[in-house]
Amino acid sequence: GQSLEQPSEVTAVEGAIVQINCTYQTSGFYGLSWYQQHDGGAPTFLSYNALDGLEETGRFSSFLSRSDSYGYLLLQELQMKDSASYFCAVIRNRDDKIIFGKGTRLHILP
Amino acid sequence: NAGVMQNPRHLVRRRGQEARLRCSPMKGHSHVYWYRQLPEEGLKFMVYLQKENIIDESGMPKERFSAEFPKEGPSILRIQQVVRGDSAAYFCASSRNELAGDTDTQYFGPGTRLTVL
Repeated sequence: GQSLEQPSEVTAVEGAIVQINCTYQTSGFYGLSWYQQHDGGAPTFLSYNALDGLEETGRFSSFLSRSDSYGYLLLQELQMKDSASYFCAVIRNRDDKIIFGKGTRLHILP
Repeated sequence: NAGVMQNPRHLVRRRGQEARLRCSPMKGHSHVYWYRQLPEEGLKFMVYLQKENIIDESGMPKERFSAEFPKEGPSILRIQQVVRGDSAAYFCASSRNELAGDTDTQYFGPGTRLTVL
C-alpha cells in the first residue's frame, strides 16, 4: 500500500517563511512533486525532486530525503496570494500514476 | 498553445442520469489522467489512458464508471446512473510522455464540477 502524510492546515504571517512537510510510504519511489491549488481552481505544478537535496525556484523551494521518505515545501516572503492548498505527490515509477496527499491548507494572516 | 481543456465546467444531473465529462489534452500530449476531488480533500487518481488504451484504471469504480481516449477527439469520463456521492470536482491532466513527474510535464485542466441532485 501507499500513504502520504502532510498537515491538514498551516497558518503563517505575511512576509514570513513557512515549511510544509510530507512523509510518504510507497512501494517504489521515483520522485516527489508539489502542487498548488487555489479554491475553485486547478492544481498547478510547483516543483519536482528525484534526488536528495534542495531545489529552489524563486520564493519556493522543495527538499527531499529519500532515506527518510520525507520532503518539504518551503515558501519564503509569504504573500496573501499564497493562500491555497498545497499537495505533495509521489511518483512510484516511470510509467506509473501520481499519488497525491490530502493537501495542506495554508492560511496567511496580514 | 491552448492548455488542457475540460467541458462542461459545471454539470448538474439528477440521480439516475448519465454524466459525460470531456477532456482535451494539450497539443502534443498523448497521456491523460482523470482525478476526482471531494471538498476539502486531495486528488484521488481514477484512470490513466493513452490513445485508444487504458493503462491503469485501478482508481475507478468497477460499476457505472468508464473512460475512453479515442484516436480522434477528447477523452471522455462517463458516469452512468449517477448518485449523490458522485458529486465532486473531476480534473483531468495530460502529459507528453510517461515521465509524469519530471519538471512540469503534467498539466491540469480547470475541472468539471458535477452536482447530483
